[in-house]
Amino acid sequence: DAKTTQPPSMDCAEGRAANLPCNHSTISGNEYVYWYRQIHSQGPQYIIHGLKNNETNEMASLIITEDRKSSTLILPHATLRDTAVYYCIAKTSYDKVIFGPGTSLSVIP
Amino acid sequence: DAGVIQSPRHEVTEMGQEVTLRCKPISGHDYLFWYRQTMMRGLELLIYFNNNVPIDDSGMPEDRFSAKMPNASFSTLKIQPSEPRDSAVYFCASSPNGVQQPQHFGDGTRLSIL
Repeated sequence: DAKTTQPPSMDCAEGRAANLPCNHSTISGNEYVYWYRQIHSQGPQYIIHGLKNNETNEMASLIITEDRKSSTLILPHATLRDTAVYYCIAKTSYDKVIFGPGTSLSVIP
Repeated sequence: DAGVIQSPRHEVTEMGQEVTLRCKPISGHDYLFWYRQTMMRGLELLIYFNNNVPIDDSGMPEDRFSAKMPNASFSTLKIQPSEPRDSAVYFCASSPNGVQQPQHFGDGTRLSIL
């Protein structure tokens, strides 16, 4: 699996967009970018994933740079319930998921 | 839909006792994963199964830990004998077979070994 690098913590004002960056400069051509989040004391929750095209679902948008060396998870209108640790993972379809320390996002009222 | 179900939610026991954690994956999911989470080490993959067969147990810390999956709807993680350093939150997750499928996690078992 490619190593990913995320800032340890971020703040975001409630109602604003939260943009969470992830660096995966050693990603290979067949590795996908996955995002999960973990709200305090709960199990991790899958958010979104992509290979090279931008993706959007009901929870978030994923923007992957053209060279695929970095990506950004966007929560368009952050709420207090989005306060969580967000994990960025780069892996092939059949690799096991390896969680790093992630980014602790605090949504501020 | 029922998600991944883990039991018990909390377990407190004394050092040296046997501990058994249980997991019921989502019906139809072919993969089952056991994770451990601590403040010091974060979220670690212990072992995973495909179609009830253990595929990778390289994350199992030592021989005191064992995991089984006797059928597609049930798995156990056993610690014998337990030690205080085994205190952690243990998560079970499952995923369908196929390309790109995400994992679905249970709510975890919070284990405290005194």
